[in-house]
Amino acid sequence: AQSVAQPEDQVNVAEGNPLTVKCTYSVSGNPYLFWYVQYPNRGLQFLLKYITGDNLVKGSYGFEAEFNKSQTSFHLKKPSALVSDSALYFCAVRPPNTGFQKLVFGTGTRLLVSP
Amino acid sequence: NAGVTQTPKFQVLKTGQSMTLQCAQDMNHEYMSWYRQDPGMGLRLIHYSVGAGITDQGEVPNGYNVSRSTTEDFPLRLLSAAPSQTSVYFCASSLKGEGGYNEQFFGPGTRLTVL
Repeated sequence: AQSVAQPEDQVNVAEGNPLTVKCTYSVSGNPYLFWYVQYPNRGLQFLLKYITGDNLVKGSYGFEAEFNKSQTSFHLKKPSALVSDSALYFCAVRPPNTGFQKLVFGTGTRLLVSP
Repeated sequence: NAGVTQTPKFQVLKTGQSMTLQCAQDMNHEYMSWYRQDPGMGLRLIHYSVGAGITDQGEVPNGYNVSRSTTEDFPLRLLSAAPSQTSVYFCASSLKGEGGYNEQFFGPGTRLTVL
């Protein structure tokens, strides 16, 4: 079965420090991978995606993610965290050959950036 | 553009009542979806539509109906509300793409409580 795992419920980091939010996936074939962010009482917002090509993908608000096929991971990173980055982050995968956009979401990781 | 709008923002129902959650988008997107978000479970797909007049079931369709008479609107109907349907509901839309990898735009959500 297709699945996405976000092993950390919460990640704490100090402002100015680098941050990493982890995501691993389990699908057959080459997946499409996405990161979305959810601020309090808001809908999800798209951050970035990996379809093919360069394993390092750059997205909105200074975020980037690295696709690692051998480790089946797609970790979200940012060199210098801001307090305003505090939010709930979701990794999602669209398995290949599934039609439409049947995204499978992880359970989310809450990022808390302290001043 | 207003993007994706949802009404109401909050709703309390009694078991057995029916209601319709409204969703509209003004971006001329072909694809629209309904998700529910429950603590510790990420987002799960309820129903989706690839165009006016075409709908299909997602991962958790039981107890919900949808229709799509226009490109803009995609209402979700709860036929007979149950406490298990207490959740936050998100509507999303996206452009149709050959690869199915276009990012989705989410509405602000409807928080539903069923007593």
